[in-house]
Order: sequence, then structure tokens, then C-alpha cells
Amino acid sequence: QKEVEQNSGPLSVPEGAIASLNCTYSDRGSQSFFWYRQYSGKSPELIMSIYSNGDQEDGRFTAQLNKASQYVSLLIRDSQPSDSATYLCAAHRDDKIIFGKGTRLHILP
Amino acid sequence: DAGVIQSPRHEVTEMGQEVTLRCKPISGHDYLFWYRQTMMRGLELLIYFNNNVPIDDSGMPEDRFSAKMPNASFSTLKIQPSEPRDSAVYFCASSPLDRADLLNGYTFGSGTRLTVV
Repeated sequence: QKEVEQNSGPLSVPEGAIASLNCTYSDRGSQSFFWYRQYSGKSPELIMSIYSNGDQEDGRFTAQLNKASQYVSLLIRDSQPSDSATYLCAAHRDDKIIFGKGTRLHILP
Repeated sequence: DAGVIQSPRHEVTEMGQEVTLRCKPISGHDYLFWYRQTMMRGLELLIYFNNNVPIDDSGMPEDRFSAKMPNASFSTLKIQPSEPRDSAVYFCASSPLDRADLLNGYTFGSGTRLTVV
């Protein structure tokens, strides 16, 4: 079992709607979690981090963590065409960050 | 700060040749990570350093791969001999030592796209 799992997509969402991206992780010792956005041909860039159960909001982005279920999610409100990218979920433990393969998100104009 | 700097941006080489990828981390960052990204396997951690010392190289696929960090501002990833299946994008990333700062994740370089023909 891969340590961090994501649906590869593509996930298609109409412009202005809420995009919901999900991720599960296998290592209960994971301490914090991240969502990175990666545009085609570019490097990953951090958009959200979370380490405690509940929600963490930043602008249009909300990260959610449920450690009991080993589940992390990212909500993007008022989706824009510029949000079209691959979103990588990642789990951190002992100085290492392990990434999922990513979910491709396509915002339909 | 100029961020994490990788070179070259693109590398095309013939099978059997030696390839050297270079990375300059952000000044003051004590951790340096090498990742490889392919469509099939995603972003895989190859090796990471703390204060120039290799801590975990369990992700290095074979003995053909080696990495060094001779000082705080420079690291190399070498493949010798290279094979077509090594074709991928190789990212370097750095992070500060302070664990609280780890909530800021890593800063990635622009990557090196390696093609072995």
C-alpha cells in the first residue's frame, strides 16, 4: 500500500463551483500534511499545510484533517480556470515528506 | 533570495553516459532533498541531507545513483551509467532546520528534465 493515496482524476469542476480533493495516508505517525499545486512543466508549490484535526482556511482554500480516519482533503471555493493543475497531497514524518501521485483538476469555463 | 537553483534545466544524454545534476539550496536551509518525478511513480524521495550529511538514501533506486553535499550551498546527484528508464524530472528541495518551520513545507527548485536515449 502506497503511503499517500489520491485519486488521479481528472476531476472536472465548473467555474465558480467548489472543488473537493481527497487523500488518505497509511502512516499514523505522520505529523503534518500538505497540499501542493503543480502546473504542467513547473515545480510543486505549497498552498496549504495542516497538523491538527479540523479545518485550516486560507482565502479560497480550506484544508481538512481527520487523523482518526487518516484522511486529508482540500476544498477550493469559487474555482477559477487558473486553479486547473495537479494537486499533490503529502504527509510529513521524521523530517521526510512523502507525496501522493496527485489529482489532476480541470476547471471548466 | 533566489530560491532553490538547479542546473541544468534540461539534459539529453545517451545511454551509458554519466549524468550530473546540481542543486544550490536556499541559504540557511539545513535540509536538502532530491526527488524524482515520473507519470507512473509520481514524486519519489531519493535521498535527503541534514547539515550536509546524508540521512536517508533508501529511495536511491540502484548503485548507479549517488549523491553528495560537499558544503551547505551545493549538492550533486550523479547517475553512472545512465539508462533510458532514468528519464524523469529530478527536483531538489530545501527546508529549514526548525521543526516549526517544517509546517512551511519544502521549497522546490525548477527541476532538471533528464532524457536518456
